[in-house]
Amino acid sequence: GAVVSQHPSWVICKSGTSVKIECRSLDFQATTMFWYRQFPKQSLMLMATSNEGSKATYEQGVEKDKFLINHASLTLSTLTVTSAHPEDSSFYICSAPTGRVTEAFFGQGTRLTVV
Amino acid sequence: GNSVTQMEGPVTLSEEAFLTINCTYTATGYPSLFWYVQYPGEGLQLLLKATKADDKGSNKGFEATYRKETTSFHLEKGSVQVSDSAVYFCALTNTGFQKLVFGTGTRLLVSP
Repeated sequence: GAVVSQHPSWVICKSGTSVKIECRSLDFQATTMFWYRQFPKQSLMLMATSNEGSKATYEQGVEKDKFLINHASLTLSTLTVTSAHPEDSSFYICSAPTGRVTEAFFGQGTRLTVV
Repeated sequence: GNSVTQMEGPVTLSEEAFLTINCTYTATGYPSLFWYVQYPGEGLQLLLKATKADDKGSNKGFEATYRKETTSFHLEKGSVQVSDSAVYFCALTNTGFQKLVFGTGTRLLVSP
């Protein structure tokens, strides 16, 4: 079946540095991908919609300059957390729709810890 | 706004025990409801879904019934296995799968 691969699965970085997370659809093309974030003991929240060949659409309250999204090809979307701070420490997960109305495939998620 | 509330974990059970993970929701209109499962080291996978009231979703021995009167979608399994150990997420959408609203997730631990 369709697989979405997310890398890295975990990362620790220093405050002020930037971290890039990759989301790849391995055996299908995805013109749209979605990025979610989950803080401890809270729900997964949609951050942004990544659109191939155009700008990402961000949800209310998500800083577009801090969370840079690039969807350069039909199989790859990247999320870059710029100038990371400890409050950005979270679980980030991407998903890609398959074309069927109620099914999307998720990556493994990335646990980001900023120290 | 839309929201999903599910029981906090972890839920710890012995093999062959009966499982219930509660999920209630608040939503406008008539949402579709989902259960996703995340096994260790893997992505979220769709476990089952229901798109209208009184529908029952089922898969791999798990079941959940869309109860509009109680705004609930509780996950049940009659006899759990060690391999069912995972994190389970209840979710809804009334704008398409891309705008899923998730619960906090419930970790299930099944011991032999």
